[in-house]
Amino acid sequence: NAGVTQTPKFQVLKTGQSMTLQCAQDMNHNSMYWYRQDPGMGLRLIYYSASEGTTDKGEVPNGYNVSRLNKREFSLRLESAAPSQTSVYFCASSEGVGNYGYTFGSGTRLTVV
Amino acid sequence: KNEVEQSPQNLTAQEGEFITINCSYSVGISALHWLQQHPGGGIVSLFMLSSGKKKHGRLIATINIQEKHSSLHITASHPRDSAVYICAVRGSNYQLIWGAGTKLIIKP
Repeated sequence: NAGVTQTPKFQVLKTGQSMTLQCAQDMNHNSMYWYRQDPGMGLRLIYYSASEGTTDKGEVPNGYNVSRLNKREFSLRLESAAPSQTSVYFCASSEGVGNYGYTFGSGTRLTVV
Repeated sequence: KNEVEQSPQNLTAQEGEFITINCSYSVGISALHWLQQHPGGGIVSLFMLSSGKKKHGRLIATINIQEKHSSLHITASHPRDSAVYICAVRGSNYQLIWGAGTKLIIKP
């Protein structure tokens, strides 16, 4: 089915380890986003890519880096994981950064111990 | 004060009841989104609206721009409607401002 695919679904890291969360969409969307969701809080934007070749910081970018590898793929990297980065991470895409609907991936549950 | 406030935070109702979830915001917006997050965690976009009313099946979303308020209604609620319903607004930049969600439980 068409949509947004995130990998992995679950991950446990030790403090200081690094990892990359992968996201790919097959809807030919221009814009892609990375969010984190913590208990009792709304989704918070980490980084977004308005179009291929561009990336911008969102609300909570510290400790993360992103790469818009091509139009389909947008990865999120944690260089040195910290317990505060324990969260559920969602990738999303939309046709553009205007008033378009969003399609979300199924999420990655990350625990940093 | 959060820029997007949802009420109630939690709602439990019996199957068949008419459900209303409210969203108030304090910023100027170009659009408002309603989304559904299932117990398994997946997030689905339900509506995007900038004025008036939209309907899809048993779901109805309304928005009053002057009052900075939107409502999501579910008619003839069913246990499968149990989920977290999230309101998000698009302000003057590219980013969405998200509410904390309303957890809905429909009992059979």
